[in-house]
Amino acid sequence: GAVVSQHPSRVICKSGTSVKIECRSLDFQATTMFWYRQFPKQSLMLMATSNEGSKATYEQGVEKDKFLINHASLTLSTLTVTSAHPEDSSFYICSASRGGTSYNEQFFGPGTRLTVL
Amino acid sequence: SQQGEEDPQALSIQEGENATMNCSYKTSINNLQWYRQNSGRGLVHLILIRSNEREKHSGRLRVTLDTSKKSSSLLITASRAADTASYFCATGGNNRLAFGKGNQVVVIP
Repeated sequence: GAVVSQHPSRVICKSGTSVKIECRSLDFQATTMFWYRQFPKQSLMLMATSNEGSKATYEQGVEKDKFLINHASLTLSTLTVTSAHPEDSSFYICSASRGGTSYNEQFFGPGTRLTVL
Repeated sequence: SQQGEEDPQALSIQEGENATMNCSYKTSINNLQWYRQNSGRGLVHLILIRSNEREKHSGRLRVTLDTSKKSSSLLITASRAADTASYFCATGGNNRLAFGKGNQVVVIP
Protein backbone atom coordinates (compact mmCIF):
# COMPACT_ATOMS: atom_id res chain seq x y z
CA GLY A 1 0.00 0.00 0.00
CA ALA A 2 0.84 3.71 -0.09
CA VAL A 3 2.04 3.86 -3.68
CA VAL A 4 2.59 7.17 -5.43
CA SER A 5 3.08 7.43 -9.16
CA GLN A 6 4.33 10.24 -11.35
CA HIS A 7 3.82 10.84 -15.03
CA PRO A 8 5.76 11.31 -17.16
CA SER A 9 8.96 9.83 -15.81
CA ARG A 10 11.01 11.78 -18.29
CA VAL A 11 10.21 14.75 -20.50
CA ILE A 12 12.20 16.85 -22.92
CA CYS A 13 10.74 20.11 -24.12
CA LYS A 14 11.70 23.24 -25.97
CA SER A 15 12.34 26.48 -24.19
CA GLY A 16 9.18 28.54 -23.82
CA THR A 17 6.76 25.64 -23.67
CA SER A 18 4.80 24.46 -20.64
CA VAL A 19 5.07 21.04 -19.11
CA LYS A 20 2.59 19.31 -16.82
CA ILE A 21 3.63 16.64 -14.34
CA GLU A 22 1.08 14.47 -12.60
CA CYS A 23 1.35 12.95 -9.16
CA ARG A 24 -1.14 10.29 -8.11
CA SER A 25 -1.68 8.38 -4.91
CA LEU A 26 -2.79 4.99 -6.18
CA ASP A 27 -4.17 3.26 -3.13
CA PHE A 28 -4.87 5.93 -0.57
CA GLN A 29 -6.34 9.37 -0.27
CA ALA A 30 -3.72 12.05 0.11
CA THR A 31 -4.79 14.98 2.21
CA THR A 32 -1.56 16.75 1.39
CA MET A 33 0.84 16.52 -1.50
CA PHE A 34 4.30 18.00 -1.74
CA TRP A 35 6.47 18.97 -4.67
CA TYR A 36 10.26 18.88 -4.46
CA ARG A 37 13.02 19.80 -6.84
CA GLN A 38 16.39 18.10 -6.90
CA PHE A 39 19.48 19.15 -8.82
CA PRO A 40 22.19 16.58 -9.63
CA LYS A 41 24.01 15.31 -6.58
CA GLN A 42 22.07 17.66 -4.34
CA SER A 43 19.32 17.29 -1.81
CA LEU A 44 15.59 17.72 -2.24
CA MET A 45 14.25 21.22 -1.92
CA LEU A 46 10.62 21.65 -1.02
CA MET A 47 8.87 23.83 -3.58
CA ALA A 48 5.29 23.82 -2.37
CA THR A 49 2.68 22.07 -0.29
CA SER A 50 -0.82 21.53 -1.56
CA ASN A 51 -4.01 20.44 0.12
CA GLU A 52 -6.95 19.13 -1.84
CA GLY A 53 -9.27 21.90 -2.88
CA SER A 54 -7.16 24.78 -1.69
CA LYS A 55 -4.34 26.90 -3.01
CA ALA A 56 -0.83 25.61 -2.71
CA THR A 57 1.59 27.09 -0.22
CA TYR A 58 4.86 27.94 -1.90
CA GLU A 59 8.25 28.06 -0.27
CA GLN A 60 10.17 31.28 -0.24
CA GLY A 61 11.83 31.94 -3.57
CA VAL A 62 9.54 29.67 -5.59
CA GLU A 63 7.52 31.57 -8.19
CA LYS A 64 3.90 30.52 -7.98
CA ASP A 65 3.16 31.84 -11.47
CA LYS A 66 6.03 29.80 -12.82
CA PHE A 67 5.19 26.57 -11.06
CA LEU A 68 1.43 26.12 -11.09
CA ILE A 69 0.12 23.51 -8.71
CA ASN A 70 -3.37 22.08 -8.78
CA HIS A 71 -4.63 19.56 -6.25
CA ALA A 72 -8.02 18.80 -7.72
CA SER A 73 -8.75 15.58 -5.87
CA LEU A 74 -7.52 13.50 -2.97
CA THR A 75 -5.53 11.34 -5.37
CA LEU A 76 -4.15 13.78 -7.92
CA SER A 77 -1.91 16.81 -7.88
CA THR A 78 -0.33 18.41 -10.92
CA LEU A 79 2.68 20.67 -11.32
CA THR A 80 2.86 22.77 -14.46
CA VAL A 81 6.14 24.40 -15.32
CA THR A 82 5.13 27.38 -17.43
CA SER A 83 7.32 28.91 -20.10
CA ALA A 84 10.09 26.50 -19.25
CA HIS A 85 13.71 27.53 -19.63
CA PRO A 86 16.91 25.50 -19.48
CA GLU A 87 17.46 26.50 -15.85
CA ASP A 88 14.20 24.72 -15.00
CA SER A 89 15.79 21.44 -16.01
CA SER A 90 15.78 19.32 -12.90
CA PHE A 91 14.40 16.23 -11.20
CA TYR A 92 10.95 16.88 -9.78
CA ILE A 93 9.64 14.59 -7.06
CA CYS A 94 6.23 14.59 -5.47
CA SER A 95 5.14 13.01 -2.23
CA ALA A 96 1.80 12.41 -0.62
CA SER A 97 0.67 12.26 2.97
CA ARG A 98 -2.55 10.67 4.12
CA GLY A 99 -2.55 12.38 7.46
CA GLY A 100 -3.99 10.90 10.56
CA THR A 101 -0.65 9.55 11.75
CA SER A 102 1.48 10.95 14.45
CA TYR A 103 4.18 12.10 12.11
CA ASN A 104 2.39 12.38 8.75
CA GLU A 105 4.67 10.07 6.82
CA GLN A 106 5.23 11.09 3.23
CA PHE A 107 5.24 8.57 0.41
CA PHE A 108 7.35 9.56 -2.56
CA GLY A 109 6.80 9.18 -6.25
CA PRO A 110 9.57 7.95 -8.56
CA GLY A 111 10.32 11.42 -9.88
CA THR A 112 10.17 13.18 -13.24
CA ARG A 113 13.29 14.19 -15.11
CA LEU A 114 12.66 17.45 -16.96
CA THR A 115 15.09 18.61 -19.63
CA VAL A 116 14.47 21.96 -21.28
CA LEU A 117 16.39 22.54 -24.49
CA SER B 1 12.30 25.51 8.92
CA GLN B 2 14.24 22.65 10.42
CA GLN B 3 17.14 21.40 8.41
CA GLY B 4 18.93 18.12 8.54
CA GLU B 5 22.45 18.37 7.26
CA GLU B 6 24.75 15.45 6.81
CA ASP B 7 28.46 15.82 6.78
CA PRO B 8 28.93 15.57 3.00
CA GLN B 9 30.35 12.15 2.32
CA ALA B 10 30.92 9.85 -0.56
CA LEU B 11 31.61 6.41 0.84
CA SER B 12 33.08 3.63 -1.19
CA ILE B 13 33.25 0.31 0.62
CA GLN B 14 33.63 -3.35 -0.10
CA GLU B 15 30.64 -5.64 0.07
CA GLY B 16 30.30 -7.04 3.56
CA GLU B 17 31.75 -4.00 5.29
CA ASN B 18 29.73 -1.61 7.43
CA ALA B 19 28.80 1.87 6.27
CA THR B 20 28.27 4.73 8.67
CA MET B 21 26.94 8.15 7.82
CA ASN B 22 26.05 11.13 9.95
CA CYS B 23 23.48 13.86 10.06
CA SER B 24 23.27 17.05 12.05
CA TYR B 25 20.37 19.42 12.45
CA LYS B 26 19.82 22.83 13.91
CA THR B 27 16.53 23.01 15.76
CA SER B 28 14.59 20.83 18.17
CA ILE B 29 12.77 17.93 16.58
CA ASN B 30 9.97 15.48 17.25
CA ASN B 31 11.54 12.83 15.07
CA LEU B 32 14.19 12.26 12.44
CA GLN B 33 13.86 10.07 9.39
CA TRP B 34 16.31 8.42 7.03
CA TYR B 35 15.59 7.84 3.37
CA ARG B 36 17.37 6.03 0.57
CA GLN B 37 17.42 7.18 -3.03
CA ASN B 38 18.68 5.04 -5.84
CA SER B 39 20.10 6.96 -8.78
CA GLY B 40 17.38 8.81 -10.68
CA ARG B 41 14.62 7.44 -8.52
CA GLY B 42 12.30 8.56 -5.75
CA LEU B 43 12.91 8.20 -2.05
CA VAL B 44 12.31 5.13 0.03
CA HIS B 45 11.61 5.57 3.71
CA LEU B 46 14.03 3.54 5.81
CA ILE B 47 13.48 4.32 9.43
CA LEU B 48 12.12 6.93 11.81
CA ILE B 49 13.51 7.63 15.24
CA ARG B 50 11.61 9.71 17.73
CA SER B 51 13.20 12.40 19.83
CA ASN B 52 12.83 10.33 23.00
CA GLU B 53 14.63 7.37 21.44
CA ARG B 54 18.40 6.98 21.39
CA GLU B 55 18.78 3.98 19.13
CA LYS B 56 16.65 2.00 16.75
CA HIS B 57 17.21 -1.07 14.65
CA SER B 58 15.56 -2.29 11.49
CA GLY B 59 17.12 -5.31 9.84
CA ARG B 60 20.68 -4.34 8.91
CA LEU B 61 20.05 -0.70 9.77
CA ARG B 62 20.94 0.93 13.04
CA VAL B 63 20.08 4.54 13.73
CA THR B 64 21.21 6.58 16.67
CA LEU B 65 20.00 9.95 17.80
CA ASP B 66 21.75 12.37 20.11
CA THR B 67 19.45 15.27 20.75
CA SER B 68 22.02 17.02 22.95
CA LYS B 69 24.38 17.18 19.98
CA LYS B 70 21.58 17.49 17.45
CA SER B 71 22.99 14.63 15.44
CA SER B 72 22.06 11.23 14.13
CA SER B 73 23.93 8.39 12.52
CA LEU B 74 22.88 5.61 10.19
CA LEU B 75 24.81 2.37 10.18
CA ILE B 76 24.33 -0.25 7.50
CA THR B 77 25.86 -3.53 8.53
CA ALA B 78 27.13 -6.22 6.19
CA SER B 79 26.64 -4.02 3.15
CA ARG B 80 25.50 -5.39 -0.17
CA ALA B 81 25.90 -4.09 -3.69
CA ALA B 82 22.19 -3.29 -3.66
CA ASP B 83 22.81 -0.81 -0.85
CA THR B 84 24.54 1.48 -3.35
CA ALA B 85 22.46 4.66 -3.17
CA SER B 86 22.26 8.11 -1.66
CA TYR B 87 21.03 8.37 1.90
CA PHE B 88 19.27 11.41 3.31
CA CYS B 89 18.14 12.34 6.75
CA ALA B 90 15.11 14.54 7.15
CA THR B 91 13.55 16.46 9.96
CA GLY B 92 10.18 18.02 9.93
CA GLY B 93 7.40 19.75 11.64
CA ASN B 94 3.95 20.84 10.62
CA ASN B 95 3.88 18.19 7.95
CA ARG B 96 6.93 19.59 6.13
CA LEU B 97 10.22 17.77 5.69
CA ALA B 98 13.64 19.36 5.37
CA PHE B 99 16.29 17.13 3.88
CA GLY B 100 19.99 17.07 4.47
CA LYS B 101 22.59 17.06 1.75
CA GLY B 102 22.85 13.33 1.46
CA ASN B 103 25.57 10.72 1.57
CA GLN B 104 26.43 8.76 -1.53
CA VAL B 105 27.36 5.19 -0.75
CA VAL B 106 28.95 2.86 -3.27
CA VAL B 107 29.26 -0.78 -2.32
CA ILE B 108 31.79 -2.63 -4.45
CA PRO B 109 30.96 -6.29 -5.07
